[in-house]
Amino acid sequence: LAKTTQPISMDSYEGQEVNITCSHNNIATNDYITWYQQFPSQGPRFIIQGYKTKVTNEVASLFIPADRKSSTLSLPRVSLSDTAVYYCLVGDKGDSSYKLIFGSGTRLLVRP
Amino acid sequence: GAVVSQHPSWVICKSGTSVKIECRSLDFQATTMFWYRQFPKQSLMLMATSNEGSKATYEQGVEKDKFLINHASLTLSTLTVTSAHPEDSSFYICSALRNPGNTIYFGEGSWLTVV
Repeated sequence: LAKTTQPISMDSYEGQEVNITCSHNNIATNDYITWYQQFPSQGPRFIIQGYKTKVTNEVASLFIPADRKSSTLSLPRVSLSDTAVYYCLVGDKGDSSYKLIFGSGTRLLVRP
Repeated sequence: GAVVSQHPSWVICKSGTSVKIECRSLDFQATTMFWYRQFPKQSLMLMATSNEGSKATYEQGVEKDKFLINHASLTLSTLTVTSAHPEDSSFYICSALRNPGNTIYFGEGSWLTVV
């Protein structure tokens, strides 16, 4: 399973755009990149998933360069409620033994 | 998104007793579910992969006789912590693999306190 590396923590202010970058140098050809958000005492919540280029949904965008060795989660105009831990994970969804191994995640603090 | 529910949300039990935590996929069938534990301020640690109709696959270092996993139906997996000790106190989280798409969704988590 490819290992991911993220910044331990980030600070931002309300209304700003936040970009969290994740490194996954050993990503395999069939691996997908998935981001989750976790609030204290709750299970992780699925945010977005992608394979290459750019993916956008109603809450975030995911940018993946051509070499796929990194990815960037972009949160537009964050609010205080976006303060959470964000996890980047990679894995082969097509593998019968597909599972998610969590790294340390990025603690995002949004200040007023 | 898909809904995965855990029960109970929190439980307190005495040392030496066993406690069962249920994980249900409410709006999809899941042949594969996963169990994690998480200590305060730490990341999630995968304990085991639960496969419907077959034995669970445990991660290295996880005692299969202590953490019994049963996945008897396509919507329910259970984790039983046997002979619980205070060091088993933790936040236990399950997740389920939804097809098509192979996206994994997580439950709300269950706090276990062993006294």
